Amino acid sequence: DQQVKQNSPSLSVQEGRISILNCDYTNSMFDYFLWYKKYPAEGPTFLISISSIKDKNEDGRFTVFLNKSAKHLSLHIVPSQPGDSAVYFCAARGNAGNMLTFGGGTRLMVKP
Amino acid sequence: GAVVSQHPSWVICKSGTSVKIECRSLDFQATTMFWYRQFPKQSLMLMATSNEGSKATYEQGVEKDKFLINHASLTLSTLTVTSAHPEDSSFYICSASLTSGGYTFGSGTRLTVV
Repeated sequence: DQQVKQNSPSLSVQEGRISILNCDYTNSMFDYFLWYKKYPAEGPTFLISISSIKDKNEDGRFTVFLNKSAKHLSLHIVPSQPGDSAVYFCAARGNAGNMLTFGGGTRLMVKP
Repeated sequence: GAVVSQHPSWVICKSGTSVKIECRSLDFQATTMFWYRQFPKQSLMLMATSNEGSKATYEQGVEKDKFLINHASLTLSTLTVTSAHPEDSSFYICSASLTSGGYTFGSGTRLTVV
């Protein structure tokens, strides 16, 4: 049972445009969400996070939106750059412990 | 920032042998360490959670006798894949939780069992 899902395995965007990566979850006990960027054969790199008490968090080109009622979050990258090309994972943490549950990842390709 | 150093980054071993992967927290104390496995083009799957000085908690389906986790100090956690087989070939990543609420990840170990 996948508690965190990223339904789009890949996304292609033109440089300078907005990239929107989506993530859905089923566990209502999740209260903290994170986005990571990952290259092959490397560990994930933290991008941005959001607590369930907020609906938006912004850091430079990255903005994460959380819709608790829909159990949906999204990562917006604007403007997208070729260096953003990587696999992006969303992750969620429940309020009963500090382990993370990861989505399946979305491969973002930003074309020059 | 908090850094976890993971070694080796790449290892090839013969079937039936054991391989040890180390994760060291360089500038902080890692009370809790997580071990993940990632198969090609798949998500990171949590294998086990280890707390310093106590036994690791394994996720369902993960054999504790095959994947031995030791977290004897606040700066070192190890994962030993015992009697490795080709199906154990994967990318293994450790992660430590931070007092700030975030997490830091090691750079991963690619294990190939031949």
